[in-house]
Amino acid sequence: SQTIHQWPATLVQPVGSPLSLECTVEGTSNPNLYWYRQAAGRGLQLLFYSVGIGQISSEVPQNLSASRPQDRQFILSSKKLLLSDSGFYLCAWSSGGVYNEQFFGPGTRLTVL
Amino acid sequence: QKEVEQNSGPLSVPEGAIASLNCTYSDRVSQSFFWYRQYSGKSPELIMSIYSNGDKEDGRFTAQLNKASQYVSLLIRDSQPSDSATYLCAVLVTGFQKLVFGTGTRLLVSP
Repeated sequence: SQTIHQWPATLVQPVGSPLSLECTVEGTSNPNLYWYRQAAGRGLQLLFYSVGIGQISSEVPQNLSASRPQDRQFILSSKKLLLSDSGFYLCAWSSGGVYNEQFFGPGTRLTVL
Repeated sequence: QKEVEQNSGPLSVPEGAIASLNCTYSDRVSQSFFWYRQYSGKSPELIMSIYSNGDKEDGRFTAQLNKASQYVSLLIRDSQPSDSATYLCAVLVTGFQKLVFGTGTRLLVSP
């Protein structure tokens, strides 16, 4: 069966510091991978998605970036965090196609102070 | 117009009742529709997917799709307090490998 991991689970970072969040998927190959952010009391905002290694689609222009160095690894980064970057960061995977059921990881709760 | 719309609620129902959650979407050619449940502080969990007009049942959950009316609903029979959560509707964007989510409906089931 497939499993999706995210770490760290929680993170408190000062404004202006860098960020690196990691997501890995087990039990599947060539998955679609997604990064979402959910601000407090808000809906899910798609940040990036990837349909293959090195292929990244950016949904929202901001100070975040994503990379996919391996088939089942997806990384979200920032060089300098802003207060507005606080939120619940969720990674998801899907097998793609017309059905495209997405399955979420446990999430990382980021607080920028 | 938002691409996927849901009433934010809260929708309050007594234990044992049927909870009816509704969602409308703007993309007329969307093919795939999903319902997720999200408990407070947790990540969303896929509970139903539906691709054809009509009803799809899974245990106490029934998803209903009407493509002509661009309407998706989720019925929860015999509602339990453990069903209290936010329910997110999601629609696959035609031609892209991504979903658009509604902002969710908060459901409260009282004992």
